Amino acid sequence: QKEVEQDPGPLSVPEGAIVSLNCTYSNSAFQYFMWYRQYSRKGPELLMYTYSSGNKEDGRFTAQVDKSSKYISLFIRDSQPSDSATYLCAIDKAAGNKLTFGGGTRVLVKP
Amino acid sequence: DAGVTQSPTHLIKTRGQHVTLRCSPISGHKSVSWYQQVLGQGPQFIFQYYEKEERGRGNFPDRFSARQFPNYSSELNVNALLLGDSALYLCASSLVEGRHAFFGQGTRLTVV
Repeated sequence: QKEVEQDPGPLSVPEGAIVSLNCTYSNSAFQYFMWYRQYSRKGPELLMYTYSSGNKEDGRFTAQVDKSSKYISLFIRDSQPSDSATYLCAIDKAAGNKLTFGGGTRVLVKP
Repeated sequence: DAGVTQSPTHLIKTRGQHVTLRCSPISGHKSVSWYQQVLGQGPQFIFQYYEKEERGRGNFPDRFSARQFPNYSSELNVNALLLGDSALYLCASSLVEGRHAFFGQGTRLTVV
């Protein structure tokens, strides 16, 4: 079993819809949670960073963490074609930058 | 300010050869990590360096090695290349340990 599971998609949504992404993890030692966006053949770009259960909002993005269920989510409101990318969840045990990534979910936002 | 820069951007090597990949962190960042991303998968942690000391090593063979220089730049070395080493190699830097990491654009290595 992988430490972090993420549905590979692809997830196709119409422009303006809400994109819902999630990851599950197996080790309760993970304490830091991140979402990255990666365009084709580019490096990952940090979208959200949190270390506590609950919601964190930044513009059109909302990250949710439920440590009791070992479940993290990312919601993208008012999705745009430019949001078409692969979204990676990443978690860390001790904030030491030794990130464990999910496999990524490919998202396609259609105009 | 410049982001994390990696060189070269693309590289083709033959099986059995050696390769050196380079990374310059964001100015002021002292922590550098290396990741391998095989096509269609998420990145996998290889090494982390902080203040020129190795702070972590992932599940990679001894053919992989790295170091960090006094100016905080870093090199990743891979010996005896295998076809399976073909991947995007990513470098990430952070201000100190424990802060979120920023990634470079990666070096795409193809082993033939």
